[in-house]
Amino acid sequence: QKEVEQNSGPLSVPEGAIASLNCTYSDRGSQSFFWYRQYSGKSPELIMSIYSNGDKEDGRFTAQLNKASQYVSLLIRDSQPSDSATYLCAVIISGYALNFGKGTSLLVTP
Amino acid sequence: EPEVTQTPSHQVTQMGQEVILRCVPISNHLYFYWYRQILGQKVEFLVSFYNNEISEKSEIFDDQFSVERPDGSNFTLKIRSTKLEDSAMYFCASSEGQGNSYEQYFGPGTRLTVT
Repeated sequence: QKEVEQNSGPLSVPEGAIASLNCTYSDRGSQSFFWYRQYSGKSPELIMSIYSNGDKEDGRFTAQLNKASQYVSLLIRDSQPSDSATYLCAVIISGYALNFGKGTSLLVTP
Repeated sequence: EPEVTQTPSHQVTQMGQEVILRCVPISNHLYFYWYRQILGQKVEFLVSFYNNEISEKSEIFDDQFSVERPDGSNFTLKIRSTKLEDSAMYFCASSEGQGNSYEQYFGPGTRLTVT
């Protein structure tokens, strides 16, 4: 079974702090990695994609990929209460199918 | 900004009935997908569709499911004989197929309730 693992949380951070979300995956052949945000009752919203080892920054978000450790993370700087949501890690192992983790619930407190 | 649309937003059906869920992918996208999310569980891949045929499907996508692109804009998921366990949110997604081809954009979903 090819797994994508995330800590379910909730991860609680104060407003203005950095939130760090982590994800590990089991299939070493995985090539494409994504972070989605999902508000309760809503659909997944793409935040970032990352394909190569290292960091990728987009505004307040930084994705980090380490293929040797089979680890991908998302950092959210200057966290806002509106960032409170479930963050989904998704991996493409082959083809185009996204393989999702169960998500980490983030709560940003004012 | 272009977006994926889905109808209906909520569908209630009786066990054994057929349902068709509809999606309009982003207009210049070439790959289309269906996913489902049972309440409290993770998002699960069902099927991908490219060039008018299924390119990939999961074990969930059995003979009771089918997909179709009946015209140039719509993409449908049919469930032939619904079961209680088919109750879930069904999400349609699409991706470009070149360049950022792997980035998939999701529609708002259809909540299917089977009674």
